[in-house]
Amino acid sequence: EAQVTQNPRYLITVTGKKLTVTCSQNMNHEYMSWYRQDPGLGLRQIYYSMNVEVTDKGDVPEGYKVSRKEKRNFPLILESPSPNQTSLYFCASSPGTWLTNEQFFGPGTRLTVL
Amino acid sequence: AQSVSQHNHHVILSEAASLELGCNYSYGGTVNLFWYVQYPGQHLQLLLKYFSGDPLVKGIKGFEAEFIKSKFSFNLRKPSVQWSDTAEYFCAFDPTGTASKLTFGTGTRLQVTL
Repeated sequence: EAQVTQNPRYLITVTGKKLTVTCSQNMNHEYMSWYRQDPGLGLRQIYYSMNVEVTDKGDVPEGYKVSRKEKRNFPLILESPSPNQTSLYFCASSPGTWLTNEQFFGPGTRLTVL
Repeated sequence: AQSVSQHNHHVILSEAASLELGCNYSYGGTVNLFWYVQYPGQHLQLLLKYFSGDPLVKGIKGFEAEFIKSKFSFNLRKPSVQWSDTAEYFCAFDPTGTASKLTFGTGTRLQVTL
């Protein structure tokens, strides 16, 4: 089944404790993105990647890192999480071609930073 | 700056009522436009998309949207809503043509009562 998977789905952590949220897609998509969803603000893009080893900042990149060492994986790293990073995070992928330009979303990771 | 406005934040309708959710975007170039739906506790799913051709786009579950270039609008419509349409609806646009960088609106929460 074609899908985007994220792990963990729920995470409670404390300020300053490094964490990684994994994202994997099995559709051989070129593009992958991370978003955060906050009430009243909709989804905001954190980082995106156009291909292996090619990443760029989205609208709210501060406090986050990403890497794209393999085409299928795009982990989100919070080196020193803070309470304002408490949010619902979505990973997404897209093929990157003109006629099939839609993003497919993962199930989300709800992060709480105490 | 590129942005998407969804003016209705919370809409309550009775079953069988007609629905129209507003979406306006701010961007001077060619855009691809999307409506996504998020059912309670679930990830975002694509309802419909427009990138060229007929400005009236039909999507899944009886939804449609009309692209009016002169008004920078892409309103979502459904002639008769069902209780199962209760969800949050997000309008988004993509200026890149590759779906690598979607800009989302803040969302409209639709509540359908029996």
